[in-house]
Amino acid sequence: SQQGEEDPQALSIQEGENATMNCSYKTSINNLQWYRQNSGRGLVHLILIRSNEREKHSGRLRVTLDTSKKSSSLLITASRAADTASYFCAPPGGNYKLTFGKGTLLTVNP
Amino acid sequence: ETGVTQSPTHLIKTRGQQVTLRCSSQSGHNTVSWYQQALGQGPQFIFQYYREEENGRGNFPPRFSGLQFPNYSSELNVNALELDDSALYLCASSLGGGEREQFFGPGTRLTVL
Repeated sequence: SQQGEEDPQALSIQEGENATMNCSYKTSINNLQWYRQNSGRGLVHLILIRSNEREKHSGRLRVTLDTSKKSSSLLITASRAADTASYFCAPPGGNYKLTFGKGTLLTVNP
Repeated sequence: ETGVTQSPTHLIKTRGQQVTLRCSSQSGHNTVSWYQQALGQGPQFIFQYYREEENGRGNFPPRFSGLQFPNYSSELNVNALELDDSALYLCASSLGGGEREQFFGPGTRLTVL
């Protein structure tokens, strides 16, 4: 069954540095989404990338997708303390649900 | 346009009790999904409702049940609470299922003692 898995589990960087998080999934997809969660609250949608797209940008975010390797990456450039959060990739599991891994906990130190 | 709201914010119950959690979907959204997130884990899909019908279910026992109302708001009911039911319960609304952007509420933190 489908499952997103993020790597690394935790990442600590200094403000201004770039942060890269990786995601692997198991079965073929039509798209993949990334979400952010601040301190045990609700998830916020960041970006959706379709299977026919290799790269997508949104502000300081850059997402890549390699369907041949069943992997995706999220790059946050020029990170800020406010970027401190857990980040989840969410491949769809069938036509009705998202599947989440444990996430990457990003800490940006001022 | 109002976002997804959930009530209550926090709840403490004892083992064996029953609980009802509520979710108001974002205006215009006809699909509501519920997720359970244990501490340190990612959200796990419980079920989804589309136009008042259950549209899909995750690996949760029948004591987890739900409803969706004509205004697309939703309830999650859990009977015979167990200690392992302690978690953050998230509701997400959308225009369609898992291949669409989901709009999450702030969650209900349930503690079972």
